[in-house]
Amino acid sequence: EILMTQSPATLSVSPGERATLSCRASQSVSSNLAWYQQKPGQAPRLLIYGASTRATGVPARFSGSGSGTEFTLTIGSLQSEDFAVYYCQHYNYWPPPWTFGQGTKVEIK
Amino acid sequence: EVQLVESGEALVQPGGSLRLSCAASGFTFSTYAMHWIRQAPGKGLEYVSTVTSNGGATYYADSVKGRFTVSRDNSKNTLYLQMGSLTTEDMAMYYCARGSSQLYFDYWGQGTLVTVSS
Repeated sequence: EILMTQSPATLSVSPGERATLSCRASQSVSSNLAWYQQKPGQAPRLLIYGASTRATGVPARFSGSGSGTEFTLTIGSLQSEDFAVYYCQHYNYWPPPWTFGQGTKVEIK
Repeated sequence: EVQLVESGEALVQPGGSLRLSCAASGFTFSTYAMHWIRQAPGKGLEYVSTVTSNGGATYYADSVKGRFTVSRDNSKNTLYLQMGSLTTEDMAMYYCARGSSQLYFDYWGQGTLVTVSS
């Protein structure tokens, strides 16, 4: 099983600042990596797939990068609606199971 | 518009059983793999189960294998999760999600809560 490790667990950022979230896989997942956003009381929402492709309707301030075992989600200029928990997840093989990272909470500084 | 609506929320005693449903609309249900993902209170996301588009293959996390059964009725555009031998470890919000052609989860339902308590 591939383990996904996210850091930091909590990121305190002021509105308008840049946020950088990391996700590391225990072995290569190529570019088969997705990022999801979850706001309190809501279901997760797909943000990024293929490590760097924004899902439909996702603002351009969200960008993903990386391949292999190291991945980054960058939020260019944090808006109030961006304060949430972010999860990475690999989907590198079929069949599942696939694993999620433990999440990074982005909170208001 | 893709919509996934889970139902079956309940309070169940340890050792009990429960069936969750997920009604799908806004897409051709029979052409997509479907998944269940859960989230224990205050915790992260955990993959639970998958059923292929025609229901011919199913997959499970080790934590639920042998106790949970995923199925689908493509004539009713509905996904199911039959849960048995429930423990407090199964207490969580259960989400259904559509599997994209590239395998990631592209649409999620709003979730249905399973509480396991005596």
